[in-house]
Amino acid sequence: NAGVMQNPRHLVRRRGQEARLRCSPMKGHSHVYWYRQLPEEGLKFMVYLQKENIIDESGMPKERFSAEFPKEGPSILRIQQVVRGDSAAYFCASSQKAGGLAVNIQYFGAGTRLSVL
Amino acid sequence: AQKVTQAQTEISVVEKEDVTLDCVYETRDTTYYLFWYKQPPSGELVFLIRRNSFDEQNEISGRYSWNFQKSTSSFNFTITASQVVDSAVYFCALLTGANSKLTFGKGITLSVRP
Repeated sequence: NAGVMQNPRHLVRRRGQEARLRCSPMKGHSHVYWYRQLPEEGLKFMVYLQKENIIDESGMPKERFSAEFPKEGPSILRIQQVVRGDSAAYFCASSQKAGGLAVNIQYFGAGTRLSVL
Repeated sequence: AQKVTQAQTEISVVEKEDVTLDCVYETRDTTYYLFWYKQPPSGELVFLIRRNSFDEQNEISGRYSWNFQKSTSSFNFTITASQVVDSAVYFCALLTGANSKLTFGKGITLSVRP
């Protein structure tokens, strides 16, 4: 049973380019979360999605960042016109069911390290 | 608002020593979950344990043990007889019943020397 798959593992972009980060959740998981880890900091929540729906995007910057989790295919975190401050590790997690008493464990992928030159 | 504090930033021990990683949390919710994750040098995040707010029993898994105390809002993690492979960054995290996002502490870098 494959874990959460993220690609690419490393991504280099020049300022102003677009970055697309992909995440395939674990089999049977329909909830996806994106977190960002800046140097010397813990992980910060960005967005929580279910299939075709954004449930909570309270941690995502209002501009340049977007996320989707289509009916078919992986979840995508898209960063437009990247700036040096976007350089970070971006982690995706998935779970079977979320919220309430039936909350389940979030399993993480290996992350995508984005470097903006 | 939820908050997780890991006051220790770096800990260095010699192999076979016991080490305790501290975690203090804040939440107004009565239903919540606490987690520990391990991030080895390779960078991935590995789930270690989940504990819900209604279960204060301590847990032991091999060399790992966890001490959950609601009275002090703490969820500490002890590694017994540490090994070099335990070297990693350890994160404590909180999830409340009101939402599904994890709130992480800043992590503790543990170095185990041979």
